[in-house]
Amino acid sequence: DGGITQSPKYLFRKEGQNVTLSCEQNLNHDAMYWYRQDPGQGLRLIYYSQIVNDFQKGDIAEGYSVSREKKESFPLTVTSAQKNPTAFYLCASIESSGNTIYFGEGSWLTVV
Amino acid sequence: KQEVTQIPAALSVPEGENLVLNCSFTDSAIYNLQWFRQDPGKGLTSLLLIQSSQREQTSGRLNASLDKSSGRSTLYIAASQPGDSATYLCAVYEPAGNQFYFGTGTSLTVIP
Repeated sequence: DGGITQSPKYLFRKEGQNVTLSCEQNLNHDAMYWYRQDPGQGLRLIYYSQIVNDFQKGDIAEGYSVSREKKESFPLTVTSAQKNPTAFYLCASIESSGNTIYFGEGSWLTVV
Repeated sequence: KQEVTQIPAALSVPEGENLVLNCSFTDSAIYNLQWFRQDPGKGLTSLLLIQSSQREQTSGRLNASLDKSSGRSTLYIAASQPGDSATYLCAVYEPAGNQFYFGTGTSLTVIP
């Protein structure tokens, strides 16, 4: 089955640590996105990538980094510079026509 | 910048009622509008996609309409069921920049 796989589902981070969230898709989509969702709020764009080896900052990129070395993979690193990282993170991709956006199941990150 | 608003933020109805969720957007230059369902702690599942040239789309008990000129969309749910309880989000897609803009969602509770 085609889809987007995010891992891990739950992740705990200690103060000062970097953590990486995985996002893999087998939909052959060019564009991929990372969103952050806080309770009671909408989705805010962190980073997006339209093709391999290229990515752009979204609205809240500070404290995050990404890479796009393969079409299928778009990992997100939450760095120690991100002061309030506890949130639900969603990865998405869209087909080239831009018609439909597909989401993974999300990853919960908690700072302990 | 596009702003998407959803009203009400929360809605509680008895089972069997018909209901309407509202979505408004500030810039009418959209390519399409999508309605999503999100269950607690899960990713978003696409319900209906309306292209900018269309007025409405239907799937089962769901009907979504789009009025670009007024910047509004509605999601009509007929004969609501407890299984419809979830958060419903709308999003508009703008090809310029390959961006999606999401509303903050309406949390729906259908009481048995």
